[in-house]
Amino acid sequence: DGGITQSPKYLFRKEGQNVTLSCEQNLNHDAMYWYRQDPGQGLRLIYYSQIVNDFQKGDIAEGYSVSREKKESFPLTVTSAQKNPTAFYLCASSMDRPLSGNTIYFGEGSWLTVV
Amino acid sequence: AQSVTQPDIHITVSEGASLELRCNYSYGATPYLFWYVQSPGQGLQLLLKYFSGDTLVQGIKGFEAEFKRSQSSFNLRKPSVHWSDAAEYFCAVSSGGSYIPTFGRGTSLIVHP
Repeated sequence: DGGITQSPKYLFRKEGQNVTLSCEQNLNHDAMYWYRQDPGQGLRLIYYSQIVNDFQKGDIAEGYSVSREKKESFPLTVTSAQKNPTAFYLCASSMDRPLSGNTIYFGEGSWLTVV
Repeated sequence: AQSVTQPDIHITVSEGASLELRCNYSYGATPYLFWYVQSPGQGLQLLLKYFSGDTLVQGIKGFEAEFKRSQSSFNLRKPSVHWSDAAEYFCAVSSGGSYIPTFGRGTSLIVHP
């Protein structure tokens, strides 16, 4: 089945460590996104990528990094510089058709807890 | 800049009752509008979307939404709620100029038996 796969589902990190969240899609979508979700704050955009080897900062990129070496993969690294990394992280993708609407589809999310 | 307001943080309804979740957006031209649903600990699932044409949009799970330009609204409705509809609902807006959707803060739906 086509879809977006995030792993791991649950991740615990010690303070000062970097962690990487995986996101893979087999929908042949051009664009991919990372969102952070905190209770009562909705979704906030971390990074997005419209094309391989290119990505843009979103609203809350500080303390995060990404890469887009393959069309189907968009991993997110939460660095030790991120002050409050405990959150639910959502990966998404879309066909990137801005002039005809841009419907994005989400993975199942990853919970990151700093201990 | 585009923005979305979901004025209700929580909505409580009885099973079998009708439902309306409110969404107001701020954007000058015709927006692209979306409703998503999220079950606890899960990703977001697309319920329906409006790009153009008929202002009453049908979605999955018996939901519908109506685009009202004069009120800058895109409210979600369901005639009879089921207990399984209890979830978080997000409204989102995008446009040709800023195609990445902006999400509202969500409305939590509680369904009483």
